[in-house]
Amino acid sequence: EAQVTQNPRYLITVTGKKLTVTCSQNMNHEYMSWYRQDPGLGLRQIYYSMNVEVTDKGDVPEGYKVSRKEKRNFPLILESPSPNQTSLYFCASSPYVRGQGGYTFGSGTRLTVV
Amino acid sequence: AQTVTQSQPEMSVQEAETVTLSCTYDTSESDYYLFWYKQPPSRQMILVIRQEAYKQQNATENRFSVNFQKAAKSFSLKISDSQLGDAAMYFCASQVSGSRLTFGEGTQLTVNP
Repeated sequence: EAQVTQNPRYLITVTGKKLTVTCSQNMNHEYMSWYRQDPGLGLRQIYYSMNVEVTDKGDVPEGYKVSRKEKRNFPLILESPSPNQTSLYFCASSPYVRGQGGYTFGSGTRLTVV
Repeated sequence: AQTVTQSQPEMSVQEAETVTLSCTYDTSESDYYLFWYKQPPSRQMILVIRQEAYKQQNATENRFSVNFQKAAKSFSLKISDSQLGDAAMYFCASQVSGSRLTFGEGTQLTVNP
């Protein structure tokens, strides 16, 4: 089954404790992205990657890091989480092919930073 | 830069009736796509319908259809014969070919029995 898998689904952590949210896709998509969803703001892009070793900032990159060492994996790293990073996070992937559009989303990770 | 605006934070509809959700967007690109995503309480993002900007014909998917007005940069979603399972948050989004999705703020749809 074609899918994007992110883990964990729920995470409660304390301020300053480094954490990683994993994301993996099995569709050989070139394009991967992380979004955060907050009430009234929709989904905002944190970082994106157009292929292995190619990443760039989205709209709200502060406090986050990413890496793309393999095509299928795109982890999101919070080196020193703060309460304002409490949010619902989505990983998504898309083929980077002209004429195609649309993203496949993971199931989301609900992060709470206390 | 792309922007997407949904001016209706909340909408409600009676079961079996029709409802239209509004969306406007702005882009300087000529090659782009528009989408409606549904997010039920499970939080999963589900693609409802997509529209290629170069196509004149409005997309339809069963009870879901769009009214794509390219000159006005408007992309509304019509849900016919509304069902209880249609209750969800709906997001409008745009994507320049091979690039990222830009989302609107969302519209919370309630379906009343």
